[in-house]
Amino acid sequence: DQQVKQNSPSLSVQEGRISILNCDYTNSMFDYFLWYKKYPAEGPTFLISISSIKDKNEDGRFTVFLNKSAKHLSLHIVPSQPGDSAVYFCAASGDNTGKLIFGQGTTLQVKP
Amino acid sequence: EPEVTQTPSHQVTQMGQEVILRCVPISNHLYFYWYRQILGQKVEFLVSFYNNEISEKSEIFDDQFSVERPDGSNFTLKIRSTKLEDSAMYFCASSESGHGVAFFGQGTRLTVV
Repeated sequence: DQQVKQNSPSLSVQEGRISILNCDYTNSMFDYFLWYKKYPAEGPTFLISISSIKDKNEDGRFTVFLNKSAKHLSLHIVPSQPGDSAVYFCAASGDNTGKLIFGQGTTLQVKP
Repeated sequence: EPEVTQTPSHQVTQMGQEVILRCVPISNHLYFYWYRQILGQKVEFLVSFYNNEISEKSEIFDDQFSVERPDGSNFTLKIRSTKLEDSAMYFCASSESGHGVAFFGQGTRLTVV
């Protein structure tokens, strides 16, 4: 039961270029989406979120786009920096308990 | 900056033994969670806790698991009789509301031998 999918296990980009990480979901009841960044042996760190009533949210170098009709969201990082190298998880919630459903993660490598 | 703290960072236990994983959520948060990540897999929801009771639990959270908030600051996950397949990273998280950002601790690596 993969309600949240990240189909690209890995992504490699050059420093300074744009990184685009993608996420698809199947449950139309999801109304809040988040991106987390995770380093090995650490917990997920919150990056940015978006409510289903919006289609874009921007915070510095990070922008999240939501396409509800396609049930698709993406995280854009521009410009990418070597310190951005980590695993990025997309997560979604749709009830009042705050339970998050995570995707499988995408490993981003930013090369100097 | 407030953070979620978890202890211990690593726990090794023998199969069949009981373990208690401890968490101190962010102080003004009202919603508490446990997640786990088996090596190489995605982060999975275990249980959510609000107002001193479980608000939701997953299929993974069977009778061997329990949670408790014994005082005003700690939030614990107990596994009564550990199995090899319980080996994973366990993450505690907390949030202000039931519809917002959850902040995660650094995790406890549980190894069952």
